[in-house]
Amino acid sequence: KAGVTQTPRYLIKTRGQQVTLSCSPISGHRSVSWYQQTPGQGLQFLFEYFSETQRNKGNFPGRFSGRQFSNSRSEMNVSTLELGDSALYLCASSLGQKAAEFFGPGTRLTVL
Amino acid sequence: SQQGEEDPQALSIQEGENATMNCSYKTSINNLQWYRQNSGRGLVHLILIRSNEREKHSGRLRVTLDTSKKSSSLLITASRAADTASYFCATEPPPIQGAQKLVFGQGTRLTINP
Repeated sequence: KAGVTQTPRYLIKTRGQQVTLSCSPISGHRSVSWYQQTPGQGLQFLFEYFSETQRNKGNFPGRFSGRQFSNSRSEMNVSTLELGDSALYLCASSLGQKAAEFFGPGTRLTVL
Repeated sequence: SQQGEEDPQALSIQEGENATMNCSYKTSINNLQWYRQNSGRGLVHLILIRSNEREKHSGRLRVTLDTSKKSSSLLITASRAADTASYFCATEPPPIQGAQKLVFGQGTRLTINP
């Protein structure tokens, strides 16, 4: 089975722009979660989608949003980018609650 | 916020030695998962241990879980240079407790010296 894939792998944006990141889960996985990793804050949960519905949400401002499509693929969007949004954004998929989470390679976002 | 505390923050050992990393957490959990991350890359899933399990093995990995102490340990036996990476524990809380899917510790940076 193919693993979790994320596109693009690297992205450079300037402050005020918006960005959309994409994630394709492992075939058969209906849960997709997003995490932000920074040196200062570590790995932090953004949100989880299951069957196109947001099931959980972390403590991030409304500039961070996401969605999930009927094929379980997911996108996350960050609007009005700030320097502090520079991070590695990781997507993970699983069969659902209590199941192992498998991560993609991440998208490295740099905001200038 | 991070629920987990990992200890030590950094560990350097000789190839062939065993490495032990510890993780403590604050609330009840469904399961605890261990991950490996090579610098700047994605997380590789190592092992999942459920709240009703006490020990699990996978190859050279041994994980223990003590829910009464809210702690877990990861043992890597006969370490290899390729084991050099950061190791994270992540807990999945019961859904009634709120919004987090996985809550990560800050990680242990393991260096294996040849």
